[in-house]
Amino acid sequence: SAVISQKPSRDICQRGTSLTIQCQVDSQVTMMFWYRQQPGQSLTLIATANQGSEATYESGFVIDKFPISRPNLTFSTLTVSNMSPEDSSIYLCSVGTGGEGDTQYFGPGTRLTVL
Amino acid sequence: AQSVAQPEDQVNVAEGNPLTVKCTYSVSGNPYLFWYVQYPNRGLQFLLKYITGDNLVKGSYGFEAEFNKSQTSFHLKKPSALVSDSALYFCAVRDSGYSTLTFGKGTMLLVSP
Repeated sequence: SAVISQKPSRDICQRGTSLTIQCQVDSQVTMMFWYRQQPGQSLTLIATANQGSEATYESGFVIDKFPISRPNLTFSTLTVSNMSPEDSSIYLCSVGTGGEGDTQYFGPGTRLTVL
Repeated sequence: AQSVAQPEDQVNVAEGNPLTVKCTYSVSGNPYLFWYVQYPNRGLQFLLKYITGDNLVKGSYGFEAEFNKSQTSFHLKKPSALVSDSALYFCAVRDSGYSTLTFGKGTMLLVSP
C-alpha cells in the first residue's frame, strides 16, 4: 500500500484565518480524496482532487471555502478558508487507484482546532 | 444511493472472548464492503474488504468479516479479543459504478482485561 504523509499533523488557528494542509504520497496514484471527521463523528467526503482540473466537491462543500490543488499524481493540498470554530475537525487525505473494488488508504490526518 | 449503518455506538467485550461489530448496508448495485480501524490520534487503517467470492473474508490482526447478501450485512468478527483491539471501527461501502466510499458512524470497541 502507498505511504501517505500529511503536514501539519495538528494546528491551532484563529478565527478568520486560513490553513493549507499538504498530502504527499510515495507513489503515483489515480485518485486522491479529502475527508473531514468532526469530533465524535464519522468521515465525510469533502471532495475528490483531480489532477490537472478542478476538484469535484460533495454536496455541502464549496470551492471558496475548501480550495484544493493537485498539481501531480503524488501531491495535493486542501485549504480551509476563513475558519470558524465549526471547522475544528480532523482532515484526512485518502488515495486509491479508482477501480470499483479498490482499497482506499488514508493518511494520518491533520487535527485542526479553531479558536 | 449508497448507505451503511452501524447500529452500535459501543461494544464491550472481555479479553479472550469473541467479538462482533455489526454493519448493514444499502446499495442499488453490487456492494464493495470495507472495514477500517482508527486508533486514538491516528488515521484510518484498512482491515479487510469484500469484493466477490467467498462470503467469509479474512483480514489483518486476526479479524474476519462475513458477507450476507440476504441480510445486507457485513459484520466484523474476531474469535478472541485483545485489549489492544480497543479502537474505533468503521464500516464502509462503495456501490458498483461509484468511485467514492460512504462510511458508517463508527463503533467504539472496548476490550477489558
